Amino acid sequence: RKEVEQDPGPFNVPEGATVAFNCTYSNSASQSFFWYRQDCRKEPKLLMSVYSSGNEDGRFTAQLNRASQYISLLIRDSKLSDSATYLCVVNNYAGGTSYGKLTFGQGTILTVHP
Amino acid sequence: DAGVTQSPTHLIKTRGQQVTLRCSPKSGHDTVSWYQQALGQGPQFIFQYYEEEERQRGNFPDRFSGHQFPNYSSELNVNALLLGDSALYLCASSFQPADGNYGYTFGSGTRLTVV
Repeated sequence: RKEVEQDPGPFNVPEGATVAFNCTYSNSASQSFFWYRQDCRKEPKLLMSVYSSGNEDGRFTAQLNRASQYISLLIRDSKLSDSATYLCVVNNYAGGTSYGKLTFGQGTILTVHP
Repeated sequence: DAGVTQSPTHLIKTRGQQVTLRCSPKSGHDTVSWYQQALGQGPQFIFQYYEEEERQRGNFPDRFSGHQFPNYSSELNVNALLLGDSALYLCASSFQPADGNYGYTFGSGTRLTVV
């Protein structure tokens, strides 16, 4: 089983649509969670961190359920510029002398069309 | 403030050859992690360097090796290249504060093609 699994998509939605991405992780000791965005042939860039209380950044809402080991990203009012690959990312830092590292999901491709 | 710089941007090598990729971390960062991203996949962790030592490693063969220099820059070396090594190689730098809440910055990557 992969450490981080995402709904592979692809998602093809019209402008203005609401789209949701889901992700599960297998390591219950995972400490921090993120959504990254990656444009074609570019490096991943941090979209937002994900907190247990849920957090929102404009049209983007992220949720974390530690009990279910589930992470989600909701994009409202999709724009053409939202077209990209969305990567679910987990940082397994256990504190003390351990070291964190980012573990990525496969990514979900989103295409927003006019 | 310069971000993470990787060189070269593109590279074509022949099977069996060796390659060295370079990374200069963001100013103030002391840790460098390397990732391999094959087409259609998420980045896979190769290894991480801190204080000039490899401190953790992903599931990659010994053909993949690295180095970190005193100025925190890093190299990734791949020996005996295989066609399957063709990928985007990403370098991410970070700084580890006491609470372990890393802030990672990615370079734009080196696209390696093995023919």
